[in-house]
Amino acid sequence: GAVVSQHPSWVICKSGTSVKIECRSLDFQATTMFWYRQFPKQSLMLMATSNEGSKATYEQGVEKDKFLINHASLTLSTLTVTSAHPEDSSFYICSARDLELYTDEQYFGPGTRLTVT
Amino acid sequence: QKEVEQDPGPLSVPEGAIVSLNCTYSNSAFQYFMWYRQYSRKGPELLMYTYSSGNKEDGRFTAQVDKSSKYISLFIRDSQPSDSATYLCAMSNYGNNRLAFGKGNQVVVIP
Repeated sequence: GAVVSQHPSWVICKSGTSVKIECRSLDFQATTMFWYRQFPKQSLMLMATSNEGSKATYEQGVEKDKFLINHASLTLSTLTVTSAHPEDSSFYICSARDLELYTDEQYFGPGTRLTVT
Repeated sequence: QKEVEQDPGPLSVPEGAIVSLNCTYSNSAFQYFMWYRQYSRKGPELLMYTYSSGNKEDGRFTAQVDKSSKYISLFIRDSQPSDSATYLCAMSNYGNNRLAFGKGNQVVVIP
């Protein structure tokens, strides 16, 4: 149980284009999903917290107009990187909390590697 | 002072040895403690979850929490090459939706 998937697993795009990354909880419902980015050999950096049916809460320094988050259902959240630039190249990972569990455990997806050329 | 301190290592051990990892934290409000394992270019995988002081065992893994010292540990017995990964500690104050992560500790188990 507690499986989170991400699609795509890797993507290459040209500078100036937009990229959408999907995060799905496959066997549980998640009211809250989280988006992280991770640079090589560094820990996870929380970008935003996404609650189903409401606007995402962004961490300080994260541009909400650049990183659009939509959490339209209890099993799907999307992150769109708009007008991507090479400095946006990173490993993006989502996680989700199980609605049924009254705990803070987060289950992570496999990550999406974004390369902007 | 960072909320969570974790020595990034790396740590190399021979196969079969005990791996000992630890994190310290400064926020006494943290109640939930987790250890994640992350293989290269993969998402973190939850290994252990605990919310009380003491030990919790799961197979070859033991998680230890000492709230009075604000110190948590993860022990891996009979380490295997497949245990080679980065191990991240994480903790939270229930209800605030955020995990505070350590930097991660890279472990290499040498056959």
